[in-house]
Amino acid sequence: NAGVTQTPKFQVLKTGQSMTLQCAQDMNHEYMSWYRQDPGMGLRLIHYSVGAGITDQGEVPNGYNVSRSTTEDFPLRLLSAAPSQTSVYFCASSYGGQGALYEQYFGPGTRLTVT
Amino acid sequence: DAKTTQPNSMESNEEEPVHLPCNHSTISGTDYIHWYRQLPSQGPEYVIHGLTSNVNNRMASLAIAEDRKSSTLILHRATLRDAAVYYCILVRQTGANNLFFGTGTRLTVIP
Repeated sequence: NAGVTQTPKFQVLKTGQSMTLQCAQDMNHEYMSWYRQDPGMGLRLIHYSVGAGITDQGEVPNGYNVSRSTTEDFPLRLLSAAPSQTSVYFCASSYGGQGALYEQYFGPGTRLTVT
Repeated sequence: DAKTTQPNSMESNEEEPVHLPCNHSTISGTDYIHWYRQLPSQGPEYVIHGLTSNVNNRMASLAIAEDRKSSTLILHRATLRDAAVYYCILVRQTGANNLFFGTGTRLTVIP
C-alpha cells in the first residue's frame, strides 16, 4: 500500500491563480479530510468527506472547494489564491466516519507559497 | 469541541521514560482521547487512543485519570526518533472523524 499520497510536494502561486492539490489513498477508506498548518500552529480542518459524493466544511473552508467523486481521491481546489493561503496542506484518511474508533493516516504534505 | 491543555515543551534524556500530560477538564462521556505526533517536516502520525481504561501498544502507553479530566502519554524509553510535537485530541464517539489540533507539546530528546 502506498497509503496517502499528495501531489505536488511544493508549489508557488501568484495571487489570483487557481490550482488543485491532489490527494489519493489506496486503503479503501471512507473518510478523507484536508488540513492546513501555519508556522508554529497545529493543524486546522478545511473540508472533509465521509464517503464518495459527500463533503462538508471544517473550521477554515473559505477560499477552498472539494469534491469526492471516488473513494480514492479527494482533491482540494484553491479558487483564487491569496497570500493568507500560504501554508502546508495535509490530507488524511481513515477507515470509518465514526471518528473515535479509527486512526487517521496523513499524507506527507504540500508546501504552498502564494506571492 | 472540548479543549485540551498541554505544556508547550518538554525535555527528556535518551533512553529514559517520558510522561506527557494533557488536561481535558470539559471532556464529555462520549469523547475518546487520541494522541498523535508530528515529526519534523512530516504529517501527523497516530500514536494511541483510549476511552476510560489505560491502553498499551507498541509505541506508547496511555494512562487515563479515573475522572477522565486528564491523561498522560508514556513513552517507556525515549529515543532520538521520538523528538516530535505530541498532540492530545478529544474525538467525539459519534459524528465525523474530525480532529481539532491544539499547539501540542514539543518533545526534545537529549542524547
